[in-house]
Amino acid sequence: SQQGEEDPQALSIQEGENATMNCSYKTSINNLQWYRQNSGRGLVHLILIRSNEREKHSGRLRVTLDTSKKSSSLLITASRAADTASYFCATVFNYGQNFVFGPGTRLSVLP
Amino acid sequence: DAGVIQSPRHEVTEMGQEVTLRCKPISGHDYLFWYRQTMMRGLELLIYFNNNVPIDDSGMPEDRFSAKMPNASFSTLKIQPSEPRDSAVYFCASSLLRGNGYTFGSGTRLTVV
Repeated sequence: SQQGEEDPQALSIQEGENATMNCSYKTSINNLQWYRQNSGRGLVHLILIRSNEREKHSGRLRVTLDTSKKSSSLLITASRAADTASYFCATVFNYGQNFVFGPGTRLSVLP
Repeated sequence: DAGVIQSPRHEVTEMGQEVTLRCKPISGHDYLFWYRQTMMRGLELLIYFNNNVPIDDSGMPEDRFSAKMPNASFSTLKIQPSEPRDSAVYFCASSLLRGNGYTFGSGTRLTVV
């Protein structure tokens, strides 16, 4: 896998369900960030988790980081149609000198 | 703050023409990034500036691409001459610190025919 690769590539769920997306990476990181991109728009920063943190919450978002497995997950609880978007993880390493986006997960939340 | 402002939102041009994309970063942000997004290659970093100085332009695909940042509140990305394979969405982003969260503009959708 490449540095910062999301899984699955696409996810379709019903409104109210939880959505889980995963990100795997190769190199030791300084932090990992999740972004959302609505169709035709720029990326929006959601949450940043540092390498010494294991879990962070922001509203309906929960991010976990397992540095031993070099992976992170983004959980969106009680999903809404407005959560339909592409979600990208970005891995930061070399003390911020390298910042790499993955290919993204396309999430569709059906009403 | 109005966020990162890019112009134009859409640009359609003929092959061989010069194209200039513009970006106004968030005031006080020391870093400015230019990205290109396509279905095939995803998000690619083209170049980034720190305090108006280009730091890494290794992502600039060819000499046809050039970027400038004459002051802290303005940057341009120029393609001359443009080619159909340059068609993509070009994003500008800024951040206070390298490695922290980026704020993206809404992008410029470039179509070269």
